[in-house]
Amino acid sequence: DVKVTQSSRYLVKRTGEKVFLECVQDMDHENMFWYRQDPGLGLRLIYFSYDVKMKEKGDIPEGYSVSREKKERFSLILESASTNQTSMYLCASSLVLDTPYNEQFFGPGTRLTVL
Amino acid sequence: QQQVKQSPQSLIVQKGGISIINCAYENTAFDYFPWYQQFPGKGPALLIAIRPDVSEKKEGRFTISFNKSAKQFSLHIMDSQPGDSATYFCAASGRDDKIIFGKGTRLHILP
Repeated sequence: DVKVTQSSRYLVKRTGEKVFLECVQDMDHENMFWYRQDPGLGLRLIYFSYDVKMKEKGDIPEGYSVSREKKERFSLILESASTNQTSMYLCASSLVLDTPYNEQFFGPGTRLTVL
Repeated sequence: QQQVKQSPQSLIVQKGGISIINCAYENTAFDYFPWYQQFPGKGPALLIAIRPDVSEKKEGRFTISFNKSAKQFSLHIMDSQPGDSATYFCAASGRDDKIIFGKGTRLHILP
């Protein structure tokens, strides 16, 4: 079974702090994704990566950056946390297939609160 | 064009009843339509998916109905059980490995 793990289940930070959210997958997947989940807004893509050191902006990249130095690890960085970044953050991974029938595997999420 | 519209936002169904969640899309380049199920405290997980070359797919009590001309698809849960209580996301994707998710439906099955 694919396992996607996230470094923290709950995190509380102060406004202006630099925040690192870590995600690790153990199935050699090429693709990795960061989403945020807010009530009534569903899952919104922040950034994704097709390969090591590759990154692409998603729908809501403002205020975030990412790092992928190793294939299995994808980090989300909040350079200067703000209260409107309080949310549930979900990491996902998937294989690169020659079809669109591509399942994403999600981690359990990190609930971040910015005070 | 990239949106997937999902309704209702929340749904309450009696045990044994049929739960129906509807979705609509605009982008005709989408060619894969998965549904994800999320239990509290967990990440979403793939439940069932359909390709646009078929009009229906059934897996156990879960059925996707797909109407290509109307650009609509729906999830039916037959004989709904309390264990089905979860948030359900419809989604769509094309060839860029990205998935566009609907906003989710919170389903509650009354015992």
